[in-house]
Amino acid sequence: EAGVAQSPRYKIIEKRQSVAFWCNPISGHATLYWYQQILGQGPKLLIQFQNNGVVDDSQLPKDRFSAERLKGVDSTLKIQPAKLEDSAVYLCASSFPPQGRNSPLHFGNGTRLTVT
Amino acid sequence: ILNVEQSPQSLHVQEGDSTNFTCSFPSSNFYALHWYRWETAKSPEALFVMTLNGDEKKKGRISATLNTKEGYSYLYIKGSQPGDSATYLCALRDNYGQNFVFGPGTRLSVLP
Repeated sequence: EAGVAQSPRYKIIEKRQSVAFWCNPISGHATLYWYQQILGQGPKLLIQFQNNGVVDDSQLPKDRFSAERLKGVDSTLKIQPAKLEDSAVYLCASSFPPQGRNSPLHFGNGTRLTVT
Repeated sequence: ILNVEQSPQSLHVQEGDSTNFTCSFPSSNFYALHWYRWETAKSPEALFVMTLNGDEKKKGRISATLNTKEGYSYLYIKGSQPGDSATYLCALRDNYGQNFVFGPGTRLSVLP
């Protein structure tokens, strides 16, 4: 099966600019996650979707971050405006629905964002 | 709120050495514990999903154990090879089965 696709792989922007990341999960995976991984730390959940509905966005800085999954398939994550502390790897992951709760996460390759 | 710790933060071993690292958590109030391997420039890859106290899982030279009563899981690598160099992440899946909380990872370097 095709894996989770993410783009771009790398992005360098200046602070106060905007940036968008795209993710296409594995076909049939209803649950989609966006994680932020800052160097030296574990991945931190930004937002979780179940189909096109938001399950958890409690740790999403909503003043500057937004995400959508309009058709319940691919998703975009946007940062506007970016700050220096947003420099991180942004990982997208997908999994089977909750009834397969032993299912692991399937990750994309991530987008490494550098804000200068 | 689940809090996951991993130790050591980083580890350097010689090829052929066996090694192990720890994932610790304060509570048994979670649904499952996951181990992932994250090689540089690649995507994190699932190694094990463990749910029961006393669980032991094995995949080739890598194995893991889970002790929910004392709040830890060990990951063992027997006969390390340079290809094992990666960051090993531990994650707890909460009792609702929805959210994952990750530890900071252990960065393993295997020197030839």
